[in-house]
Amino acid sequence: GAVVSQHPSWVICKSGTSVKIECRSLDFQATTMFWYRQFPKQSLMLMATSNEGSKATYEQGVEKDKFLINHASLTLSTLTVTSAHPEDSSFYICSKTGYRPNEQFFGPGTRLTVL
Amino acid sequence: GEDVEQSLFLSVREGDSSVINCTYTDSSSTYLYWYKQEPGAGLQLLTYIFSNMDMKQDQRLTVLLNKKDKHLSLRIADTQTGDSAIYFCAESRSGGYQKVTFGTGTKLQVIP
Repeated sequence: GAVVSQHPSWVICKSGTSVKIECRSLDFQATTMFWYRQFPKQSLMLMATSNEGSKATYEQGVEKDKFLINHASLTLSTLTVTSAHPEDSSFYICSKTGYRPNEQFFGPGTRLTVL
Repeated sequence: GEDVEQSLFLSVREGDSSVINCTYTDSSSTYLYWYKQEPGAGLQLLTYIFSNMDMKQDQRLTVLLNKKDKHLSLRIADTQTGDSAIYFCAESRSGGYQKVTFGTGTKLQVIP
């Protein structure tokens, strides 16, 4: 069964509003989780690494103030898209580390549409 | 930077073999992966291979690695309709957790 869940699975919002996406580890605790963005017909782009109890590590080119990440507990990481604009519309996927080398367990993704 | 490329689409008949190809550019890649993404579900790790291996077989799946040409392939024997999905090739280096770079994904369509 699924070991990583995301909520919501689909969200539509107005331009200028903020949207929070939750990523939960369902089986064991996850001190490290990852947030990706996936465009149609394109690969996953790592946005940031979320570390429990500390600040997230953002990839180059990702705006920290735009995409706020909070990993307040060992089973929950949240991504908040602040002041969303239509160009933020995308598929956002979270993951956590697995058992095999560099294995990651992925959530089902959240489709964000900004009108 | 690292780059991983795949063809976008592959169509095969049920029962035939599928071969999905991938090329990468990072000569320091240590792990090479194949992930499967079904509609509405997260990516699932199918298999991975170390860069010092040429081949790995796991039931219906065969991974071939040509390190010289930086070419990776995934062969699915006796393809079933349940194999229809998007398949992502990915690579990473060794040493603790290293960033995983994904390809663009190949959509496999299995025709009954």
